[in-house]
Amino acid sequence: EDQVTQSPEALRLQEGESSSLNCSYTVSGLRGLFWYRQDPGKGPEFLFTLYSAGEEKEKERLKATLTKKESFLHITAPKPEDSATYLCAVQAIYNQGGKLIFGQGTELSVKP
Amino acid sequence: SQTIHQWPATLVQPVGSPLSLECTVEGTSNPNLYWYRQAAGRGLQLLFYSVGIGQISSEVPQNLSASRPQDRQFILSSKKLLLSDSGFYLCAWSVMSGGPVEQYFGPGTRLTVT
Repeated sequence: EDQVTQSPEALRLQEGESSSLNCSYTVSGLRGLFWYRQDPGKGPEFLFTLYSAGEEKEKERLKATLTKKESFLHITAPKPEDSATYLCAVQAIYNQGGKLIFGQGTELSVKP
Repeated sequence: SQTIHQWPATLVQPVGSPLSLECTVEGTSNPNLYWYRQAAGRGLQLLFYSVGIGQISSEVPQNLSASRPQDRQFILSSKKLLLSDSGFYLCAWSVMSGGPVEQYFGPGTRLTVT
C-alpha cells in the first residue's frame, strides 16, 4: 500500500535556526513528489515538484531534495513568516486521475 | 492565470440536513478536479476526483456524493449530514498529463455539523 510519513509532527525553531523536515514514502513507482505549505484556515499552497532521485529545488529559504525513499525540506535561517504546516504528497505512476497521497504534515513554528 | 473558487467559506448545519458545496475553476479547460477533506488541520483525505464532465470516481465509501455538471464546476453533496462530516473541505484542480502534475487548491470550506 502506498504511504507517506512525515516527521517530526511539530517543530519549533528560533529565528535563524536552520533545520530539515522529513518525508518518507512507499510507492510502487513514483511519478512525482510534491511539497505544499498550508497556513491556518487556508488551502495548501504548492511549493515544489520533484521527479527523480538526486533532484533538488530551491525557493528563497527552502530547498527540497529527493532520494529513492525520502525527501527533505531544508529551511535555512527561517523567519517567523515561515511558520506554517508543510505537507508532502506523492503521485504514483499507476494512479489514474493524478491522485495524490498526502502525509500528515509537519507544523513548523518559528519564534523571533 | 487560473483561479479556483469555493463557497461558502464557512457553514454550520444541523445533523440530518442536506449539503451542497461548490467549486469552480477559471482560466483552464478540461481540468482534473478533486474533493478532499481535512480533519484536525492535518492530512488530506481524497474523497472524489473527476477527469471529465459526468465522470466521478469515489475514493472512500461515505455519506457524500459528487457531481460535475460543467467542465469547470465540481459539487459536493449530501442528503443527510452526520456529525462525522464536520471538517475542512478542499477542492483542487490539475491539468491532464501523463507526467507528474501538481494540484492547486481552493481556499476551502469549513463545515461544522451540530
